[in-house]
Amino acid sequence: DAGVTQSPTHLIKTRGQQVTLRCSPKSGHDTVSWYQQALGQGPQFIFQYYEEEERQRGNFPDRFSGHQFPNYSSELNVNALLLGDSALYLCASSGHTEAFFGQGTRLTVV
Amino acid sequence: GQQLNQSPQSMFIQEGEDVSMNCTSSSIFNTWLWYKQDPGEGPVLLIALYKAGELTSNGRLTAQFGITRKDSFLNISASIPSDVGIYFCAGYDSNYQLIWGAGTKLIIKP
Repeated sequence: DAGVTQSPTHLIKTRGQQVTLRCSPKSGHDTVSWYQQALGQGPQFIFQYYEEEERQRGNFPDRFSGHQFPNYSSELNVNALLLGDSALYLCASSGHTEAFFGQGTRLTVV
Repeated sequence: GQQLNQSPQSMFIQEGEDVSMNCTSSSIFNTWLWYKQDPGEGPVLLIALYKAGELTSNGRLTAQFGITRKDSFLNISASIPSDVGIYFCAGYDSNYQLIWGAGTKLIIKP
């Protein structure tokens, strides 16, 4: 079982650019959630996808969007990047209860 | 975003000492989860609690789901150097959104 995998592991982008992060959930999991984690903070919920639809959304602007594919994998897109978007982006997959995380994508906006 | 109240923020302990940390919420939670996160990695699930009053162990780790469903604690017995890291509590609220504490940083004094 490969667990939750995210790509890329590190990324550097310039302000104003757009970025796409990818996540493959743990086998058997149909729900994918995305989190932003600033240095020294706990993860902040961005949104959750289930059955290819956004089911819940946290307090993030529309610049943050996502997609879930029929194989349950997911993408997080961020448009018009700001310096403050620099963070570790975590993907978690879940079935009924427990959430398992990928290793994260470290995004640096310069 | 919404967070649980997790304490302490950090702990400096000697190897071999026992550790205790806790999380509280102003609202009822259905599930409590405890994670450990190493630098640059995604959180790893340690213990999951599903019922009020439940006491669960995982090796040297013990966690309990509070009777009021508004709190949980995690104990680590006989700490060892590899216990160093940041411990997060998380809980599913009534909307099944996973809410996080700010983390407890565990540091072992040489």
